[in-house]
Amino acid sequence: QKEVEQDPGPLSVPEGAIVSLNCTYSNSAFQYFMWYRQYSRKGPELLMYTYSSGNKEDGRFTAQVDKSSKYISLFIRDSQPSDSATYLCAFKKAGTALIFGKGTTLSVSS
Amino acid sequence: SQTIHQWPATLVQPVGSPLSLECTVEGTSNPNLYWYRQAAGRGLQLLFYSVGIGQISSEVPQNLSASRPQDRQFILSSKKLLLSDSGFYLCAWSAGLPMNTEAFFGQGTRLTVV
Repeated sequence: QKEVEQDPGPLSVPEGAIVSLNCTYSNSAFQYFMWYRQYSRKGPELLMYTYSSGNKEDGRFTAQVDKSSKYISLFIRDSQPSDSATYLCAFKKAGTALIFGKGTTLSVSS
Repeated sequence: SQTIHQWPATLVQPVGSPLSLECTVEGTSNPNLYWYRQAAGRGLQLLFYSVGIGQISSEVPQNLSASRPQDRQFILSSKKLLLSDSGFYLCAWSAGLPMNTEAFFGQGTRLTVV
């Protein structure tokens, strides 16, 4: 079983749609959960960072963590063409570097 | 505020040539520094990390090496590039206890070995 699994997509949605991006993980030692957004030919930028189960909201973005199911999600409300990018989930345990999913490519059409 | 600079943005090098990519961080002291490589369909692979000057840890045996000559400077090098070294190289930094916080990335260097 891979340590992190993320559906690569691509995922295509119309403007205004609600987008759900998901990752599963197998390592119960992971303590920190992150989502990064990466535009084409750019470095990843941090979107959301959390360390507990439950929901964390920031504007149109909501990060959800379910430690019992080893499952994290990122929801994007009222999606915009500017949200078109690759979204990477990332995990870490204390004292180690981030472990990334392979990324999901999202395209939002106007 | 903290900023991270990485250059060059794009590089085309022949097989067997040397490589030097540089990364610097401003606005923070004693950052943890990282080099990642991103290949198509393979996600981000950690190559090296450093928790201090002269302290380098290698995650994957490579044709590459890293050095940290100054607190906020991280260099990725190779003596002889291989075709398989092509990819998108990303430098990142994090603060606090070694690797206990989120990482912030530079804009990357796209390396093509021909």
